[in-house]
Amino acid sequence: EVQLVESGGGLVQPGGSLRLSCAASGFTFSNYWMSWVRQAPGKGLEWVANIKLDGSEEYYVDSVKGRFTISRDNAKNSLYLQMNSLRAEDTAVYNCARQRESGPGPFDFWGQGTRVTVSS
Amino acid sequence: DIVMTQSPDSLAVSLGERATINCKSSQSLLYSSNNQIYLAWYQQKPGQPPKLLIYWASNRESGVPDRFSGSGSGTDFTLTISSLQAEDVAVYYCQQYYSTPGTFGQGTRLEIK
Repeated sequence: EVQLVESGGGLVQPGGSLRLSCAASGFTFSNYWMSWVRQAPGKGLEWVANIKLDGSEEYYVDSVKGRFTISRDNAKNSLYLQMNSLRAEDTAVYNCARQRESGPGPFDFWGQGTRVTVSS
Repeated sequence: DIVMTQSPDSLAVSLGERATINCKSSQSLLYSSNNQIYLAWYQQKPGQPPKLLIYWASNRESGVPDRFSGSGSGTDFTLTISSLQAEDVAVYYCQQYYSTPGTFGQGTRLEIK
């Protein structure tokens, strides 16, 4: 059974940093592109970043470029999102999602998400 | 960035009736080299992550009931639920994966009339 379990969320002050993790199981992690997708409270879905099978390519939505870094450790079946210079507008539930294709989707499995709150 | 616009924002349909949700992209999602349409539909119930329903605009994901179908071409797409069931109450999103960033529609909230 495919499972994606996120962790690392919490309350952080504006300008602060957090590192999110996503533990994958039930599939060959190194065979899939992976993404982070976020959802602000009461809002819709926003794709944030994705990373190639071997970590050699990364892509980001403009609003997080230069502040967020996606990475992966295929030996540990884990996906990460390092978030720096956090802003109030980064407040959201962050989901890791498995991509079926090399483009930004479709996302065939999702974690339950980890909540990030940026507030003073 | 490709803009995805869904209509309506909310929809109330009687049990057993047809529900139709529309999605329009600001540019074509048809990739000519493989003749595939890079459009997906997701269902999100309260407190849950989204669930993939349809990919390549019309391919039903494994395990998704056949009352769900997707159609469309180019820039205009439709998700149809042929006979609404109580468990279909959710927010539905379209998403393009033709180009980065992969963008979603704003969502359509489906309720029982």
